[in-house]
Amino acid sequence: GEDVEQSLFLSVREGDSSVINCTYTDSSSTYLYWYKQEPGAGLQLLTYIFSNMDMKQDQRLTVLLNKKDKHLSLRIADTQTGDSAIYFCAEIRPYQTGANNLFFGTGTRLTVIP
Amino acid sequence: GAGVSQTPSNKVTEKGKYVELRCDPISGHTALYWYRQSLGQGPEFLIYFQGTGAADDSGLPNDRFFAVRPEGSVSTLKIQRTERGDSAVYLCASSLDRSFSTDTQYFGPGTRLTVL
Repeated sequence: GEDVEQSLFLSVREGDSSVINCTYTDSSSTYLYWYKQEPGAGLQLLTYIFSNMDMKQDQRLTVLLNKKDKHLSLRIADTQTGDSAIYFCAEIRPYQTGANNLFFGTGTRLTVIP
Repeated sequence: GAGVSQTPSNKVTEKGKYVELRCDPISGHTALYWYRQSLGQGPEFLIYFQGTGAADDSGLPNDRFFAVRPEGSVSTLKIQRTERGDSAVYLCASSLDRSFSTDTQYFGPGTRLTVL
């Protein structure tokens, strides 16, 4: 099947904004998610956006959704060293095998430079 | 418990051996999922339980992989005749009620399986 695509690496300086991009595959996806994975820890749900929205803000996090281009982004304002982790976007493909199961991208490793 | 727990955290085995990986979901969560995460990749869906039954096992790679959830709580992922390609982190997740569109999956820390 098609893959959810993400850039593998992103480096930013502490205090700057980070923007992590994702291209998903299924235009019928109802929800799109961002998960954070720190070393030795499980996946932590950061935020999600419903497909009828184009933006969602939650404290330092802003999610932008472009349904036409099937593009999702996560902006982290005032990035801190504790934000260093791998960030995964994930989609639900309601009409494919495994309906309502999460399909993940390859992850973007964010490195915050002090 | 407070979150999803998985045991063991690390498992090293030899090619051809049998292994069992355990998942304790969040109390009260009806849905349970197993994913496999290979190095440098995102998690890939393996199997999903609703209660005691495997509602969707379309992600299991072959018949060497099997999972059970006999009492609708703890689940065990079983791998027979392990191969080096089975080496990965096996993640378990649970969610409250999959019938809700906003149902959120909570992940455990994973079991890192290494097949020598």
